[in-house]
Amino acid sequence: GQQVMQIPQYQHVQEGEDFTTYCNSSTTLSNIQWYKQRPGGHPVFLIQLVKSGEVKKQKRLTFQFGEAKKNSSLHITATQTTDVGTYFCAGPNQAGTALIFGKGTTLSVSS
Amino acid sequence: DAGVIQSPRHEVTEMGQEVTLRCKPISGHNSLFWYRQTMMRGLELLIYFNNNVPIDDSGMPEDRFSAKMPNASFSTLKIQPSEPRDSAVYFCASSRDFAESPKNIQYFGAGTRLSVL
Repeated sequence: GQQVMQIPQYQHVQEGEDFTTYCNSSTTLSNIQWYKQRPGGHPVFLIQLVKSGEVKKQKRLTFQFGEAKKNSSLHITATQTTDVGTYFCAGPNQAGTALIFGKGTTLSVSS
Repeated sequence: DAGVIQSPRHEVTEMGQEVTLRCKPISGHNSLFWYRQTMMRGLELLIYFNNNVPIDDSGMPEDRFSAKMPNASFSTLKIQPSEPRDSAVYFCASSRDFAESPKNIQYFGAGTRLSVL
């Protein structure tokens, strides 16, 4: 069946270091979404990418959608302790009726 | 808007008891989703509704689980009888629609943390 995979599963960085998580889909996606879940919290929508090769920035966060629309990445520059949490990517299923979430990348940051 | 509202926030019950989780989606949202999150399995989609109609319940683990959406502003997820392996955080999410970007952006409730002893 259709799958959305993320790597790495866990990442620990020192504050100030950069961080990247990668998302790969087994099928071409019409769009991809990224969510962040803080420890003890719920997933919160961050951004949606629609176009092939699209790059969007939110302050220190850079999101990219691959040319083939099967992969995506989230890069955080100069991590801060507020960046701690699990980052999920999600893409529509083939029927377009629901989102398939990756298992997420959990980021921890030490100061 | 108050966002997606779930109740209760925490539920502790004994094995064999019935558990009912409740969700009020964002007003005007046509799609509603129930998820279960555990460390081992991550975020699993259990069932989703569009315009109060169940579209796909293939994620429901077994017959002990059932979900209803009697109207556009309320949904329940019921587990009967509950088992210790049902312990997890259950999230409800809603979106304006499911098929069209950006209407398929999902807004999650705070979740219900269920512990079955």
